[in-house]
Amino acid sequence: NAGVTQTPKFQVLKTGQSMTLQCAQDMNHEYMSWYRQDPGMGLRLIHYSVGAGITDQGEVPNGYNVSRSTTEDFPLRLLSAAPSQTSVYFCASSYVGGLYNEQFFGPGTRLTVL
Amino acid sequence: EDQVTQSPEALRLQEGESSSLNCSYTVSGLRGLFWYRQDPGKGPEFLFTLYSAGEEKEKERLKATLTKKESFLHITAPKPEDSATYLCAVQAGQGAQKLVFGQGTRLTINP
Repeated sequence: NAGVTQTPKFQVLKTGQSMTLQCAQDMNHEYMSWYRQDPGMGLRLIHYSVGAGITDQGEVPNGYNVSRSTTEDFPLRLLSAAPSQTSVYFCASSYVGGLYNEQFFGPGTRLTVL
Repeated sequence: EDQVTQSPEALRLQEGESSSLNCSYTVSGLRGLFWYRQDPGKGPEFLFTLYSAGEEKEKERLKATLTKKESFLHITAPKPEDSATYLCAVQAGQGAQKLVFGQGTRLTINP
């Protein structure tokens, strides 16, 4: 199993550009989520999904869109990048409910917006 | 609002010098408390889940404990390879998978 994969690993954008961060998992997890990590702020939840066709907002959703058309994929779209979106982005997945619901994280995408 | 506070922000120890990291939380209906390890440039790696006060879990030199207000990650006789940032997160509320993270403790073990 590859686990949770993310692409690209690094990205530099100019203000106003759009892009999609890709996330995929091969563990048949129902739950997938996106976090951003900033120095001194910990990880903050952007959007999450409990299954294909179902998404919801987290703590910091503004400026980001998501969709979930398959169980495996959960892309994060930046519609018009701003310098405040410079961060490291992590995708995570897990089973829903039960005892073994720890979230598995991808390797991250480091995004710089100029 | 659910809150998680970790202390200290950074901790430097000598190899073999045992210590503890603290995670204090305020949540409505704790469903689970998670500890993760994060190495520089990598994603968080799962260590433990604790579900109820009094529960303890161990893995090599690490032991996690849980009370109704806080969790401790005890590190016994650490080695340089234990150097990392340790993250605490809580899962709360009905039917929720969402995690609320603390800011992390950056641990450095000097040889």
